[in-house]
Amino acid sequence: DAMVIQNPRYQVTQFGKPVTLSCSQTLNHNVMYWYQQKSSQAPKLLFHYYDKDFNNEADTPDNFQSRRPNTSFCFLDIRSPGLGDAAMYLCATRGTGGPDTQYFGPGTRLTVL
Amino acid sequence: AQSVTQLGSHVSVSEGALVLLRCNYSSSVPPYLFWYVQYPNQGLQLLLKYTSAATLVKGINGFEAEFKKSETSFHLTKPSAHMSDAAEYFCAVSPSGGYQKVTFGIGTKLQVIP
Repeated sequence: DAMVIQNPRYQVTQFGKPVTLSCSQTLNHNVMYWYQQKSSQAPKLLFHYYDKDFNNEADTPDNFQSRRPNTSFCFLDIRSPGLGDAAMYLCATRGTGGPDTQYFGPGTRLTVL
Repeated sequence: AQSVTQLGSHVSVSEGALVLLRCNYSSSVPPYLFWYVQYPNQGLQLLLKYTSAATLVKGINGFEAEFKKSETSFHLTKPSAHMSDAAEYFCAVSPSGGYQKVTFGIGTKLQVIP
């Protein structure tokens, strides 16, 4: 029944060691998002895909990259994680053609040592 | 440009008491408005949404919200709090019409006291 799946749920990495977070969806939605959420803060949009069109938020650091090889999968790459990148990373999808809801995955909590 | 302001980062209510979580929005065009709930170490789940139909919107788990254009508000209420309602609640806004970016408020953490 899971619609938006994120793996792993918990990720520990070392300072400066590249890490990849993954997201998959069974909803066949055109739009996929990556958010960063730090403790007691609102989700902050990093970037989104409208189909294959990539849209980067102006304040997203270059350290963050993303790939969407097909409709179902989307990856977040953090090239050189710093201590400040420790956060919950949320993937979400959205259909098009109206005020469709965003469907969120359970998130990946990233710890940087 | 759009934004939401959630008044009160922490709200405590007794079990069985009324829940009222406040949200005011700012939008240059007619908005869509959403309330999401987040349990610890989980993603966000939609409670309800306003999309320019009925101004009183009913959602899951007994929650409802009323869109008041004159007050630019979209407060979330529940008549009787349950222990399982303890979570963080996010108000969000997006402009109506086609695909648009959603902007979230900072969240309100609800504590339910037995």
